Amino acid sequence: AQSVTQLDSQVPVFEEAPVELRCNYSSSVSVYLFWYVQYPNQGLQLLLKYLSGSTLVESINGFEAEFNKSQTSFHLRKPSVHISDTAEYFCAVISSSNTGKLIFGQGTTLQVKP
Amino acid sequence: GAVVSQHPSRVICKSGTSVKIECRSLDFQATTMFWYRQFPKQSLMLMATSNEGSKATYEQGVEKDKFLINHASLTLSTLTVTSAHPEDSSFYICSARDLGTLRGETQYFGPGTRLLVL
Repeated sequence: AQSVTQLDSQVPVFEEAPVELRCNYSSSVSVYLFWYVQYPNQGLQLLLKYLSGSTLVESINGFEAEFNKSQTSFHLRKPSVHISDTAEYFCAVISSSNTGKLIFGQGTTLQVKP
Repeated sequence: GAVVSQHPSRVICKSGTSVKIECRSLDFQATTMFWYRQFPKQSLMLMATSNEGSKATYEQGVEKDKFLINHASLTLSTLTVTSAHPEDSSFYICSARDLGTLRGETQYFGPGTRLLVL
């Protein structure tokens, strides 16, 4: 079975500062990893994903995440945040055996302050 | 990109009535759709996996007679909350797997349906 832990429930940060949202997972099999973002009263939007290949993956709006197999982590980073990045961020894994079930972390609220 | 829609976006109903929520994949085919429930300030809880042309698979603790799921086509799944009660009030989100991606790992989510039972 897989599990996902997001270590920070809330991360307050000032605009234009860097941010890291932490995500650790546990699994006895190889996994695929995802970050989703949820704005208030909306569904989830896929931010980025790691399936294979380069361990560093990037999104179109400046976020990046690095898959670290030895540390079983997939932390999300952005060098300079905007007010509009304020949202809930969910890390998720899916088993490579492809049962189709996404296992979500508890979520991290990113609060960007002016 | 892959788009998933849900209808309605918001519904208010009286206790004891049934409510149907539709989930559609607009520009791709999805043999599998998932239904989640999300309470305020919490993560998503998987309720059931909906497979086109077959019975849904429910997660432990989810009443299948309470939450009826139908997946009649490759682009439409419906969730019916039967005899709704105030404790069923929640945010319901569906997702669909895009068969066009490599082995379909990626799920795309609908915008959610806010259900309030009075």
